Amino acid sequence: DVKVTQSSRYLVKRTGEKVFLECVQDMDHENMFWYRQDPGLGLRLIYFSYDVKMKEKGDIPEGYSVSREKKERFSLILESASTNQTSMYLCASTQNSGRGLGETQYFGPGTRLLVL
Amino acid sequence: LAKTTQPISMDSYEGQEVNITCSHNNIATNDYITWYQQFPSQGPRFIIQGYKTKVTNEVASLFIPADRKSSTLSLPRVSLSDTAVYYCLVGGLTGGGNKLTFGTGTQLKVEL
Repeated sequence: DVKVTQSSRYLVKRTGEKVFLECVQDMDHENMFWYRQDPGLGLRLIYFSYDVKMKEKGDIPEGYSVSREKKERFSLILESASTNQTSMYLCASTQNSGRGLGETQYFGPGTRLLVL
Repeated sequence: LAKTTQPISMDSYEGQEVNITCSHNNIATNDYITWYQQFPSQGPRFIIQGYKTKVTNEVASLFIPADRKSSTLSLPRVSLSDTAVYYCLVGGLTGGGNKLTFGTGTQLKVEL
């Protein structure tokens, strides 16, 4: 089975702090994604990556950056955390077999971030 | 952007069939339709995927009409453990760039 792990389940940070959220997948998937999930808004795509050192903006990239130095690891960075970034953050990965973003996504358990 | 619309919530009883419909009027030619299930404090989990007509697996069926502007997830004989949020996802690579749109989810509550 595909396993996607996230570095923390719960995280509390202060406004202005730099925050790193780490995601690791063990199935050699080419594509990796970061979402945030908020009540009433569903899942919204922040960034995704289809190869090492490659990244594409999703629907809500403002205030975030990403890093993919190795195929199995995709990091989400909040350069200066703000209270409106309090949310559940979900990482996902997919293989690349021609369906583009229609590939089946495998999600991690999520990181619940609270910014005070 | 292929916006999706789902009912916010649905209630059912154990043993009944549940049908959840997702509208995606702007679906593109290359888009697939995927449904995910999410329990509290967990990431979404794949249920079923289709492109057109009908797809069936061991847990659900997916009905997609010819115009592909909507899709219906069918859960046969639900149980209490099917209480979860169900998401419809439309996505694929298109000539206009990458598009990936989750619906806001349908909270299904199954009671005895």
